[in-house]
Amino acid sequence: DIGMTQSPDSLAVSLGERATINCKSSQSVLNSSNNKNYLAWYQQKPGQPPKLLIYWASTRESGVPDRFSGSGSGTDFTLSISSLQAEDVAVYYCQQHYSTPYTFGQGTKLEI
Amino acid sequence: QITLKESGPTLVKPTQTLTLTCTFSGFSLSTSGVGVGWIRQPPGEALEWLALIFWSDERRYSPSLNSRLTITKDTSKNQVVLTMTNMDPVDTATYYCAHRRTAVADFFDYWGQGTLVTVSS
Repeated sequence: DIGMTQSPDSLAVSLGERATINCKSSQSVLNSSNNKNYLAWYQQKPGQPPKLLIYWASTRESGVPDRFSGSGSGTDFTLSISSLQAEDVAVYYCQQHYSTPYTFGQGTKLEI
Repeated sequence: QITLKESGPTLVKPTQTLTLTCTFSGFSLSTSGVGVGWIRQPPGEALEWLALIFWSDERRYSPSLNSRLTITKDTSKNQVVLTMTNMDPVDTATYYCAHRRTAVADFFDYWGQGTLVTVSS
């Protein structure tokens, strides 16, 4: 299994400031045949299902504000929120879909 | 638009078999590239992928739960069913079904609201 480790477990950021969440996989999730990283990011607010934010490590899902961005390759990835808004308070998860079992990180709780 | 909704019992006893149904609209599981997965989340914990079924009837399971899980589809009813045998209190969780990004990769772009299943005698 590919292990996914996020850091930090929780994070407090002021409104308007930048938030950065890291995700590290125990094996590379880069597919050399298409040069794509099989890494997605989700946002989960209390009482709600996860919402897809980013896929292919850096492609923003339609409708997701451009303050959200993803970067990284191979085993090290980052989700950044450029200017934190109150509605961004949530738990964020990374997921590798490179190989089964598809695994998620433990989550990072983002607070104001 | 794509919607999914989970249904099933909210309470099961230890050793019983859980059967959950995902009823969806806005897509067809007979269309090439389409898939539906199940993911669960124990209270206050992280997400865990369980199973995925494709339009072709290919099925993938979490190896740690493979012996207990069965995923099937009923294309005519737009439903996917997950069964989990020998339920245990540690299986208490919210169970989600989700739509796989069609013909792209195995991440999930639409999710149901989830159904909380409690395992207790």
